[in-house]
Amino acid sequence: DSGVTQTPKHLITATGQRVTLRCSPRSGDLSVYWYQQSLDQGLQFLIQYYNGEERAKGNILERFSAQQFPDLHSELNLSSLELGDSALYFCASSVAPSSLQETQYFGPGTRLLVL
Amino acid sequence: AQKITQTQPGMFVQEKEAVTLDCTYDTSDQSYGLFWYKQPSSGEMIFLIYQGSYDEQNATEGRYSLNFQKARKSANLVISASQLGDSAMYFCGEYEKLVFGKGTKLTVNP
Repeated sequence: DSGVTQTPKHLITATGQRVTLRCSPRSGDLSVYWYQQSLDQGLQFLIQYYNGEERAKGNILERFSAQQFPDLHSELNLSSLELGDSALYFCASSVAPSSLQETQYFGPGTRLLVL
Repeated sequence: AQKITQTQPGMFVQEKEAVTLDCTYDTSDQSYGLFWYKQPSSGEMIFLIYQGSYDEQNATEGRYSLNFQKARKSANLVISASQLGDSAMYFCGEYEKLVFGKGTKLTVNP
């Protein structure tokens, strides 16, 4: 158990819908990262927050948005869902924002299926 | 752009033998960090090992070691004394740009 929690574990929804994925980082970690893992694209970094502020952006679509709240939990919002958004979405956390020696601890992931 | 290449889609190894999983990277940065994660069939991502570009010695963590060859831009993972529980997907990646390779599926045979 990494200490990072993600809810829900599984999510099934329809095209065009909007969903919210939730992540609670390890105790003491200030940085949260979101990743998408799909069969065709592999594991892709989406976005990073550090202590409530956006820190880095990766391949995140405009239909997707995220935020980190004062209690450090984070939410990833996916809207106007398409079939291709079906994937495993991971949240990871680390203590510091961008140290090269900072280990990221991954949550168990949320498996999203868009029908 | 940073790029991570894992050329072995799948690898097989006998239990108790050593195996090397290949990873090459492409960066013009002077300072960078490379890591390996393991993903069992259950789906979670487990951190294995990290190597900084300025580290003079190869990183080791138990049965895992990283064969870092800076001039060749390679950061291969060596697993010694393979166990059945090592069967999983293995991902190489780079910390600065948060880029992962496509992964290598390792199967350990009894």
